[in-house]
Amino acid sequence: QKEVEQNSGPLSVPEGAIASLNCTYSDRGSQSFFWYRQYSGKSPELIMSIYSNGDKEDGRFTAQLNKASQYVSLLIRDSQPSDSATYLCAVNFYTGNQFYFGTGTSLTVIP
Amino acid sequence: DVKVTQSSRYLVKRTGEKVFLECVQDMDHENMFWYRQDPGLGLRLIYFSYDVKMKEKGDIPEGYSVSREKKERFSLILESASTNQTSMYLCASSPPGTGGWRAKNIQYFGAGTRLSVL
Repeated sequence: QKEVEQNSGPLSVPEGAIASLNCTYSDRGSQSFFWYRQYSGKSPELIMSIYSNGDKEDGRFTAQLNKASQYVSLLIRDSQPSDSATYLCAVNFYTGNQFYFGTGTSLTVIP
Repeated sequence: DVKVTQSSRYLVKRTGEKVFLECVQDMDHENMFWYRQDPGLGLRLIYFSYDVKMKEKGDIPEGYSVSREKKERFSLILESASTNQTSMYLCASSPPGTGGWRAKNIQYFGAGTRLSVL
């Protein structure tokens, strides 16, 4: 069984701080990694994708991938109240088109 | 922009009814997916399809079936709805990956259908 694990939280950070979200996965054959943001009652929207070891930055968001440790993280700099949402980690394994999602981490940014 | 459209945002059905959830995508994607999302359980894959008339079971296919007669449309069918199928249902689509492995194929989600079975 392929597994993707996240701390469910809730994670609370003050406005302007760095929020750090973590995800581990079980299959070393994993190729693609995604972070989705989901506001309450809404569908997930993609915010970051990463395929190679290292860091990938997009605005206030940085995704970090370490395949040796089977670990992917998302850093949100200068956190804003509008970042308050559940963040889903998703992994695409080598074996096919199927994606596996973590259960999500709930983030609250306190003004 | 990719658009994935689910036919209903909210649906209320009775136990034992046959329920159809429809999903249409406009980006000519090969892959389409049906998930359900429940508090504390995250997104769980019910079925996916990688081509017209092709389907694969996901993690929780029991009580569900699917139909994909056209590339742009993927339907989820609850043959006899039960109360434990009350959930948020999410449809997604993605293109196939490139090269010898199917990666970099981002999933795009519809708005979701919140189904209540009474």
